[in-house]
Amino acid sequence: GQQLNQSPQSMFIQEGEDVSMNCTSSSIFNTWLWYKQDPGEGPVLLIALYKAGELTSNGRLTAQFGITRKDSFLNISASIPSDVGIYFCAPRGYNNNDMRFGAGTRLTVKP
Amino acid sequence: NAGVTQTPKFQVLKTGQSMTLQCAQDMNHNSMYWYRQDPGMGLRLIYYSASEGTTDKGEVPNGYNVSRLNKREFSLRLESAAPSQTSVYFCASSYPGLAGWGGTGELFFGEGSRLTVL
Repeated sequence: GQQLNQSPQSMFIQEGEDVSMNCTSSSIFNTWLWYKQDPGEGPVLLIALYKAGELTSNGRLTAQFGITRKDSFLNISASIPSDVGIYFCAPRGYNNNDMRFGAGTRLTVKP
Repeated sequence: NAGVTQTPKFQVLKTGQSMTLQCAQDMNHNSMYWYRQDPGMGLRLIYYSASEGTTDKGEVPNGYNVSRLNKREFSLRLESAAPSQTSVYFCASSYPGLAGWGGTGELFFGEGSRLTVL
């Protein structure tokens, strides 16, 4: 089966620092989605990538869909306390309803 | 709009007891999913239903059954609960796009159901 590796597992940073996390897979995908989960809630979509090489920004978030279609990264610039949570990558293949998630990156931001 | 609604939010069971987690969505989505979330394991797919009338196994289906009752509702049943099934369970739905697969693929999640099996 496909292998999906997300790193790092956790990060402890100071407010104002930049953050970078990534996912790599053994399989090729057509879409990479990044979700954030706030404590006690379900994940919510942050950013979506649909083309290899695509670089997309949403405010302080920037994500890229790797050229090989097997990886993606998410950057958060100038972190703030409300960035705390768990971030998940979720790639998707063509005609594939089997939506799987990376193991998550738990982010802690110290004020 | 309520979005995705899960019940119950909390449940404590004894080993061997059975229970059903209910999920309903009001967004007219075709696909629905059940995940479990355990510390350090992320979200693992239990079962999914690509459309009304179909269900398929995900990564960790053992010990669970599902029913896609209609387009709105997708239930998860534990026939004989085990302590290893202590977890937070999330239901989600999505609407595949019209052009082949297409669409955003975005999942909309419920708030979760915290299950403890003693």
